[in-house]
Amino acid sequence: AQSVTQLGSHVSVSEGALVLLRCNYSSSVPPYLFWYVQYPNQGLQLLLKYTTGATLVKGINGFEAEFKKSETSFHLTKPSAHMSDAAEYFCAVSDLRSSASKIIFGSGTRLSIRP
Amino acid sequence: GAVVSQHPSRVICKSGTSVKIECRSLDFQATTMFWYRQFPKQSLMLMATSNEGSKATYEQGVEKDKFLINHASLTLSTLTVTSAHPEDSSFYICSARDGRSTDTQYFGPGTRLTVL
Repeated sequence: AQSVTQLGSHVSVSEGALVLLRCNYSSSVPPYLFWYVQYPNQGLQLLLKYTTGATLVKGINGFEAEFKKSETSFHLTKPSAHMSDAAEYFCAVSDLRSSASKIIFGSGTRLSIRP
Repeated sequence: GAVVSQHPSRVICKSGTSVKIECRSLDFQATTMFWYRQFPKQSLMLMATSNEGSKATYEQGVEKDKFLINHASLTLSTLTVTSAHPEDSSFYICSARDGRSTDTQYFGPGTRLTVL
């Protein structure tokens, strides 16, 4: 079974400050890991994903995440927050090696940006 | 990137009526589609997985007779909420997996259902 835990339902940072959203996963097989962003009343947009290979993954809008197997973590970071980054962020895990596999989402973290 | 559309984007209906939501993959063939439900300020909960031409697989606790899923073609899946009640009001999101690649799902923009 797979699961995701996002630490902190709400994170608030100042514009220009570092963004750090935490995600820990549990998986009995090598995981595929994702970060999605959701703006109000919209669907999900993929920020980045880790499948295999390089553990530091760069995504859109300046975000990146590092897969740390020893810590079972996949934290999302951005060096400098922008007002447009305010949204809900979901970490997700999957074993997408078969058509029957599913994506399991964390509970989400709402990111607020202070002017 | 791949595009998934949903129709309608917003629907309001009376209690007891049925509502159909369409999910289409616009530029790829989706062998597998997923339906999620999202309550306000909560995460996405997987309702069911549908494979083209076969019956949907429902998650535990999801009533298959209430949430009818049809995946009749490689580009279209429908979710019908039958005899809707106010507690069915929610944001419904579909996603589609490209048949050529298993490592990415593309999400639709969601459908806001309000049952009066």
